[in-house]
Amino acid sequence: GNSVTQMEGPVTLSEEAFLTINCTYTATGYPSLFWYVQYPGEGLQLLLKATKADDKGSNKGFEATYRKETTSFHLEKGSVQVSDSAVYFCALTSNTGNQFYFGTGTSLTVIP
Amino acid sequence: DTAVSQTPKYLVTQMGNDKSIKCEQNLGHDTMYWYKQDSKKFLKIMFSYNNKELIINETVPNRFSPKSPDKAHLNLHINSLELGDSAVYFCASSQTTGGNTEAFFGQGTRLTVV
Repeated sequence: GNSVTQMEGPVTLSEEAFLTINCTYTATGYPSLFWYVQYPGEGLQLLLKATKADDKGSNKGFEATYRKETTSFHLEKGSVQVSDSAVYFCALTSNTGNQFYFGTGTSLTVIP
Repeated sequence: DTAVSQTPKYLVTQMGNDKSIKCEQNLGHDTMYWYKQDSKKFLKIMFSYNNKELIINETVPNRFSPKSPDKAHLNLHINSLELGDSAVYFCASSQTTGGNTEAFFGQGTRLTVV
């Protein structure tokens, strides 16, 4: 079956620190992988995506690489800002594309 | 223009009432979803519709009934509301045919049952 496991939070970092949020997946076939971000009181927004092995998704200084050999899609940012405080979700689509599987979410708080 | 819009944004109601949440997408997508997010931010798929046809119906009480009058709309009707139904409900859409795109989410409906 399909599933996503991401690291438990909450995560608290100081501004300009390096961020890694781990995500691993189980899937049949060749899923697409996503990171979504949810700011307080808002819906989920796509942060970045990768559709095949070795693809790197990037946006707003965040990066993640689709690693088929380790079934991972870890999110990284070199220098976080207070405005990055949010909940981050790793997700994948099934082969048929009619369902998205989400991880449990990781809450990030960045302090000045 | 809002891509996925759902109404209302907030809904406070008493136990036992019936309520509906509406969702519309203007992206031309062929697939729409309802998700439930609990207080710990966990997202649970409830329903998925592809071209107005029910594709996924997870273990959800029969009190929840989705209705898709056309490809651009997927409404959620809830009968006999219970305290445990309190959560944030998200509508989403994506394009399945022709290659998977990401899911686009509405702003959510915060349902509080008192």
